[in-house]
Amino acid sequence: DVKVTQSSRYLVKRTGEKVFLECVQDMDHENMFWYRQDPGLGLRLIYFSYDVKMKEKGDIPEGYSVSREKKERFSLILESASTNQTSMYLCASRQTNSPLHFGNGTRLTVT
Amino acid sequence: LAKTTQPISMDSYEGQEVNITCSHNNIATNDYITWYQQFPSQGPRFIIQGYKTKVTNEVASLFIPADRKSSTLSLPRVSLSDTAVYYCLVGDGIYGGSQGNLIFGKGTKLSVKP
Repeated sequence: DVKVTQSSRYLVKRTGEKVFLECVQDMDHENMFWYRQDPGLGLRLIYFSYDVKMKEKGDIPEGYSVSREKKERFSLILESASTNQTSMYLCASRQTNSPLHFGNGTRLTVT
Repeated sequence: LAKTTQPISMDSYEGQEVNITCSHNNIATNDYITWYQQFPSQGPRFIIQGYKTKVTNEVASLFIPADRKSSTLSLPRVSLSDTAVYYCLVGDGIYGGSQGNLIFGKGTKLSVKP
């Protein structure tokens, strides 16, 4: 069974901090994704990666960056956290032409 | 990009069949339609995927009319454990397509009552 693991379930950070959210998948999937989920807005795509060191912007990339140095790991970086980045962050992976597999999310609070 | 529209919420009772419809008027020729289910504090999980006509698995059925501008997820005889948010996703692409098309709508919150 595919497993997508997000390193933290809950994080509390201060405004202006640099924040790293880590995601690891164990199925050798080519593609990895970062979404954020907010009440009433559903899931919004931040960034995705289709190969090591490759990345593409999604719907809402502003204020975020990503890193994919190894195939199994995809990191989301908040360079300077702000309160409007308080949200649930979901990582997903997939093989091309196959459904997405999600982690259980990281709930980030920025104070 | 294919935008999806779903009802915000639906209520049902145990044992009933539930149909959730998703509109996707500008679906592309090579787009699949995929449905996901999400429970609180979990990530979404795949339910069913189809391209046209009808698809059935052990969990649900998916009905897609000939024009493919909408799709209906059918859950037979729901139970309390089917209470969740259901998302329709259009744009997986038969040949992979653009990964940036993997954009979700706002989902339908289904509440199943005893």
